[in-house]
Amino acid sequence: EPEVTQTPSHQVTQMGQEVILRCVPISNHLYFYWYRQILGQKVEFLVSFYNNEISEKSEIFDDQFSVERPDGSNFTLKIRSTKLEDSAMYFCASGRGGRDQPQHFGDGTRLSIL
Amino acid sequence: GENVEQHPSTLSVQEGDSAVIKCTYSDSASNYFPWYKQELGKGPQLIIDIRSNVGEKKDQRIAVTLNKTAKHFSLHITETQPEDSAVYFCAASKDSGYSTLTFGKGTMLLVSP
Repeated sequence: EPEVTQTPSHQVTQMGQEVILRCVPISNHLYFYWYRQILGQKVEFLVSFYNNEISEKSEIFDDQFSVERPDGSNFTLKIRSTKLEDSAMYFCASGRGGRDQPQHFGDGTRLSIL
Repeated sequence: GENVEQHPSTLSVQEGDSAVIKCTYSDSASNYFPWYKQELGKGPQLIIDIRSNVGEKKDQRIAVTLNKTAKHFSLHITETQPEDSAVYFCAASKDSGYSTLTFGKGTMLLVSP
């Protein structure tokens, strides 16, 4: 069964550094998402992406965040200048869109900011 | 925006018992309600979902019920097994599967042999 794959599984970065999290969505999916989960808290929506542009973003997704689909397979989340509070598990998800088409999640990247 | 509340935060049952997890939502425009299971070190995996035009849906040992008037929905697991132990999240969204998901805080289910 096709899966959403995320790399790396764990990223350790110094505060203030840039970090790029990578995702390969399921190949015939058109909608792409990033969510994050701070330890012990709920999964929170960050951004959705469709047709090569952001379709929706939350208040968490400020100017420090950006997303890109650089080629036909990858979907990336960049954090320009990381803060301690960016430490979390980041999940990529993808979906076909349309009625009754669920979002499928990857196994996440654990981001630790030192 | 949407707010989803989930109870209980932890649930311990004996193998073979039933488990029920409840969620409420605030936005009457929400019409799609998936349930995800998250095992340690893994991402959320969809286990069942329901749309607002359906009151109940069942898949083997798992069922979900929806009460639109009261804005709550529940996950029912019958004949629980140790491998059902995981964190379960409810979620809500508009426009079915391509709209953003608002998650509950999760329920840690522990099934003891």
